[in-house]
Amino acid sequence: DGGITQSPKYLFRKEGQNVTLSCEQNLNHDAMYWYRQDPGQGLRLIYYSQIVNDFQKGDIAEGYSVSREKKESFPLTVTSAQKNPTAFYLCASSRSERQGLTTDTQYFGPGTRLTVL
Amino acid sequence: AQKITQTQPGMFVQEKEAVTLDCTYDTSDPSYGLFWYKQPSSGEMIFLIYQGSYDQQNATEGRYSLNFQKARKSANLVISASQLGDSAMYFCAMREASYGQNFVFGPGTRLSVLP
Repeated sequence: DGGITQSPKYLFRKEGQNVTLSCEQNLNHDAMYWYRQDPGQGLRLIYYSQIVNDFQKGDIAEGYSVSREKKESFPLTVTSAQKNPTAFYLCASSRSERQGLTTDTQYFGPGTRLTVL
Repeated sequence: AQKITQTQPGMFVQEKEAVTLDCTYDTSDPSYGLFWYKQPSSGEMIFLIYQGSYDQQNATEGRYSLNFQKARKSANLVISASQLGDSAMYFCAMREASYGQNFVFGPGTRLSVLP
């Protein structure tokens, strides 16, 4: 089945540690995204990538880093510089990033819940 | 300024009744798309329905329909014949042609369906 997988589902981190969240898609989508969601809130964009080896900062990129070495994979690293990383992290992908196109929806993974101890 | 506004933090509806979830948006781009997503307690985001700014008719997908009033910049989601499984958070989102890759999400509305 085509879809987006995220691992792990739950992640616990000690203060001062870096952790990496995995996101893989087999939908052959060009664009991938990382969002953060805090309890009772909407989604905020952390990073996005339109093509391999290229990515852009979103609204709340500080304390996070990403890579896009393969089309299928877009891992997110939460660094120790992120002061309040406890949140729910959602990865998404969409088919096309051509300018002027608005019809392609985003498809989401199941999410990773990160807790800092 | 908020680009997507959802003024109802929480809504209740009786099972089998219809419910409307409000969404207003702000854009100067003539070409844009509007999306609704459902987020159950499990956390996954499920795509429900899409409306394009140039679409002449309101979008429908099964029990979901979108009441699109372009002049008022509103894109309300209508769920007919509510079911207990409809209880979830619902998010309205917009994608503007001039900012192709970015989706902007509203704060969401929590819908509770009562038996």
